[in-house]
Amino acid sequence: DAEITQSPRHKITETGRQVTLACHQTWNHNNMFWYRQDLGHGLRLIHYSYGVQDTNKGEVSDGYSVSRSNTEDLPLTLESAASSQTSVYFCASSHLSGRSSYNEQFFGPGTRLTVL
Amino acid sequence: QQQVKQSPQSLIVQKGGIPIINCAYENTAFDYFPWYQQFPGKGPALLIAIRPDVSEKKEGRFTISFNKSAKQFSLHIMDSQPGDSATYFCAATSSGSARQLTFGSGTQLTVLP
Repeated sequence: DAEITQSPRHKITETGRQVTLACHQTWNHNNMFWYRQDLGHGLRLIHYSYGVQDTNKGEVSDGYSVSRSNTEDLPLTLESAASSQTSVYFCASSHLSGRSSYNEQFFGPGTRLTVL
Repeated sequence: QQQVKQSPQSLIVQKGGIPIINCAYENTAFDYFPWYQQFPGKGPALLIAIRPDVSEKKEGRFTISFNKSAKQFSLHIMDSQPGDSATYFCAATSSGSARQLTFGSGTQLTVLP
């Protein structure tokens, strides 16, 4: 069955370290998204991609970067981890949507990141 | 900044009750309003969605009511069950945003047996 996976599921790191969170989907979806989830804020978009070599900044992109070298993967990198980046991170994917249509976003199980 | 305001933050009801979660938006360009359900330790999953050209959509025990003039929409859960205990997020998107989702802050629902 097609799925979307994230790794690691839990990560503890120290301030200033570089951290990369993996996201892999087997649906062959064009669109991929990274969100962070914090109590009281819901899910906020960090970065998104509409295809290979395409990346875009979301609402809370400072301190994060992504790259899309193939359809299946969109790794999220924290260049220099900060305590404010302690959060639960979700990856999602969807088929390409037209202007008059919307395709469901499928979410991964999440990665809980703690920055000490 | 696009925003979707959701209330209440938490909600406790007895089994069989009808919890109601409310959301309000400001951006009139929004043209699709999904609700996501999230169980502890899991990612959100699409529950039900509505477009602004209808005032109500029902799927099983879940109903969305939509008031376009007031820019408000709400989720009703009929005959709620303990298995409905989860966090619910409303969201909105528009073609102008390239179909990015703007989420509400979430409502943690507990249904007591």
